[in-house]
Amino acid sequence: DADVTQTPRNRITKTGKRIMLECSQTKGHDRMYWYRQDPGLGLRLIYYSFDVKDINKGEISDGYSVSRQAQAKFSLSLESAIPNQTALYFCATSDSRDRWNSEQFFGPGTRLTVL
Amino acid sequence: DAKTTQPPSMDCAEGRAANLPCNHSTISGNEYVYWYRQIHSQGPQYIIHGLKNNETNEMASLIITEDRKSSTLILPHATLRDTAVYYCIVRVVGSGNTGKLIFGQGTTLQVKP
Repeated sequence: DADVTQTPRNRITKTGKRIMLECSQTKGHDRMYWYRQDPGLGLRLIYYSFDVKDINKGEISDGYSVSRQAQAKFSLSLESAIPNQTALYFCATSDSRDRWNSEQFFGPGTRLTVL
Repeated sequence: DAKTTQPPSMDCAEGRAANLPCNHSTISGNEYVYWYRQIHSQGPQYIIHGLKNNETNEMASLIITEDRKSSTLILPHATLRDTAVYYCIVRVVGSGNTGKLIFGQGTTLQVKP
């Protein structure tokens, strides 16, 4: 079973709709991240959370919100989706106790299309 | 976190060593060099990281120059499954580590038969 799962894997929606992308992890990590990737570009950080009560904006947080419902769950919401939010979205986790390695583990991604 | 510069693409023959360069001339003393790769829209995968000494694991070797301004990721015997985008990332770890990864555009490595 995958350690980091994302649902849905693919989603097509219309402009103005509210969308939630979910991420769950079984690694027991305290830190979770949301990234987006546009075609031909690297990943960009949207939000990150160091624990349930600690949520921080990344470099491109406008138009997005997040919720850390539990240590294992981190959801990304698009309150009113727009076409330029069409992208591949990745969730990742890391363990703050692994201070000198800090490897991030990524989920399989959610492909979102906003028409 | 320091910025990195990588060539946009490289080719390598199957079975040969793939040497992927990365320039990070503004790296600070407390910043590590990390390498991740992304195979065809899958989630990125950690490969290796290092501070100043050369490092080797089951996937690759990392060679960091003495002045730490550049590094090279070496895949000793590239296979077709190593075709991917390779990202070189420089970041702080340890105390004060925010955990954020800042991705550039990476190097697309094409391994050819």
